[in-house]
Amino acid sequence: DAMVIQNPRYQVTQFGKPVTLSCSQTLNHNVMYWYQQKSSQAPKLLFHYYDKDFNNEADTPDNFQSRRPNTSFCFLDIRSPGLGDAAMYLCATSRPGGGGYTFGSGTRLTVV
Amino acid sequence: AQTVTQSQPEMSVQEAETVTLSCTYDTSESDYYLFWYKQPPSRQMILVIRQEAYKQQNATENRFSVNFQKAAKSFSLKISDSQLGDAAMYFCAAPLGAQKLVFGQGTRLTINP
Repeated sequence: DAMVIQNPRYQVTQFGKPVTLSCSQTLNHNVMYWYQQKSSQAPKLLFHYYDKDFNNEADTPDNFQSRRPNTSFCFLDIRSPGLGDAAMYLCATSRPGGGGYTFGSGTRLTVV
Repeated sequence: AQTVTQSQPEMSVQEAETVTLSCTYDTSESDYYLFWYKQPPSRQMILVIRQEAYKQQNATENRFSVNFQKAAKSFSLKISDSQLGDAAMYFCAAPLGAQKLVFGQGTRLTINP
């Protein structure tokens, strides 16, 4: 089945130690998104890619970066994780037109 | 500002009864979709139902239906014959500009047996 896959499901990292979360898709969707979701809150958009065009939200901290080497893969890099970065990170994809979005299962990041 | 608002942080309903979750949004887009997502404790975001804004007919998916009032920018979700498995966080969402999906604050739905 076509899907969005996030690895790992759970990630523990040390305070200040760089960490990378990965997302892959078999849907061949043009647009890929990274959301941050803290406990009992709505998902908050960090970035999205339209093909290779990178779009950063104005309030996304500089500590967060993203890479999309090809259509299928997208990575979220956190350069120096702080305790406040502990959250669920959701990857999603869509086709142009906004009619359908598919989410991965998420990666729960713990910072110790 | 383009926003999505859910005014009910928590709702509860007796099993087999009907519940309605509210959502309002504000957008300058002329053609758009609206979504309701369910997020159980496993945290997987699951699409419940989708409404195309240019369609006047309200979307229906089995026990789930919407009441879409475009002029009022209102998009409520009705769950009929509630089941224990419906218990979850429900998020209203809309793509508000440049492919960006924006979520409301969520409503935690509890089903009482």
